[in-house]
Amino acid sequence: DTGVSQDPRHKITKRGQNVTFRCDPISEHNRLYWYRQTLGQGPEFLTYFQNEAQLEKSRLLSDRFSAERPKGSFSTLEIQRTEQGDSAMYLCASSPGAGVRTEAFFGQGTRLTVV
Amino acid sequence: AQSVTQPDIHITVSEGASLELRCNYSYGATPYLFWYVQSPGQGLQLLLKYFSGDTLVQGIKGFEAEFKRSQSSFNLRKPSVHWSDAAEYFCAVGPPATDSWGKLQFGAGTQVVVTP
Repeated sequence: DTGVSQDPRHKITKRGQNVTFRCDPISEHNRLYWYRQTLGQGPEFLTYFQNEAQLEKSRLLSDRFSAERPKGSFSTLEIQRTEQGDSAMYLCASSPGAGVRTEAFFGQGTRLTVV
Repeated sequence: AQSVTQPDIHITVSEGASLELRCNYSYGATPYLFWYVQSPGQGLQLLLKYFSGDTLVQGIKGFEAEFKRSQSSFNLRKPSVHWSDAAEYFCAVGPPATDSWGKLQFGAGTQVVVTP
């Protein structure tokens, strides 16, 4: 068990560019969550998946954001036409599926800087 | 509206002294409660969690937390801090009686500085 892995760890992009982040959850974890954390704030929930199904999306997830988990394993989060306000740490977490009451395990995050 | 409040943005404590971090929540029902710690540039590590049962919860690294339903609080404590405890601490709540343990609402965090 290598934990939740996120790639890249850091990304600097120019405003207007598209970026994509990857998250590999703990193997056999059915649930996968994305959060955004801005400087000085706690993480904010963006969306989560049960296997390949995206079950919930926060209002924070604007039309420029899209998340996928095509085979129920790794997930990608894409931001189109990035804005300076998108600069943040993007955290991924995973947890076992329904009926297993335990916490979510977080990755180390991808820090995005939009210049 | 649901909310999680950590009243102290920043706490400075001497090494060896005790530490208490406050967390209050506003929720429709008693939520599941968590404390996470985050070191600079790192992800979140779970310190402890409360789902039900004994209201005094023991966690890792010598931390404990007490759930007080009447006060809607879940304060974190450590009797004697170590320099390695310097980090940011987040209280979080999750919806009860569902399977979405990972869908959490976090407080804004408390930055802990440990002095020699």
